[in-house]
Amino acid sequence: DQQVKQNSPSLSVQEGRISILNCDYTNSMFDYFLWYKKYPAEGPTFLISISSIKDKNEDGRFTVFLNKSAKHLSLHIVPSQPGDSAVYFCAARGGNNDMRFGAGTRLTVKP
Amino acid sequence: DVKVTQSSRYLVKRTGEKVFLECVQDMDHENMFWYRQDPGLGLRLIYFSYDVKMKEKGDIPEGYSVSREKKERFSLILESASTNQTSMYLCASSLRSSGPYFGPGTRLTVT
Repeated sequence: DQQVKQNSPSLSVQEGRISILNCDYTNSMFDYFLWYKKYPAEGPTFLISISSIKDKNEDGRFTVFLNKSAKHLSLHIVPSQPGDSAVYFCAARGGNNDMRFGAGTRLTVKP
Repeated sequence: DVKVTQSSRYLVKRTGEKVFLECVQDMDHENMFWYRQDPGLGLRLIYFSYDVKMKEKGDIPEGYSVSREKKERFSLILESASTNQTSMYLCASSLRSSGPYFGPGTRLTVT
């Protein structure tokens, strides 16, 4: 059973608008959460992270929000750009330093 | 700059063959991981290692084994390749305090 879930396989937004990608997790022992971006034929690249002691982390156009009580995190991209079109993976770290990933959400930003 | 290299970008093997996928990182990272990526299933953890000669099973270890004799190298072994092991294999490494850095991936086809 997947411990990290991304229930939306795809998302399409207009350039300049906000993109919101969502992620849910089941394991309350996860202490560190990350978002990765992946282009075809490349390995995933790190985007932004958040520790379980925080509820928000910002880096330029990217903001990650963590709601521990709901076991939910989200990635906001504002404003969205066509170059943001990629597959986005949510990941979570367990107590053993193991990293679990979700199934990914394909974001398409239309010009 | 962190570099994670994988021995092959593309590999074609026959059913029943023993297959070795090699991964090398050059940043003295303690943790190393093997994932497979399949459409709709995201990145699934096969095995990970938090130190030399240490290994832990991930979510889908069946049909795979691993070896970590040196800190920089983590090998994934398919003892007897089967068609359902056709996939993209991604190696990653990390410090204990950070998220993983990924290699470019190996697309393995088992015929």
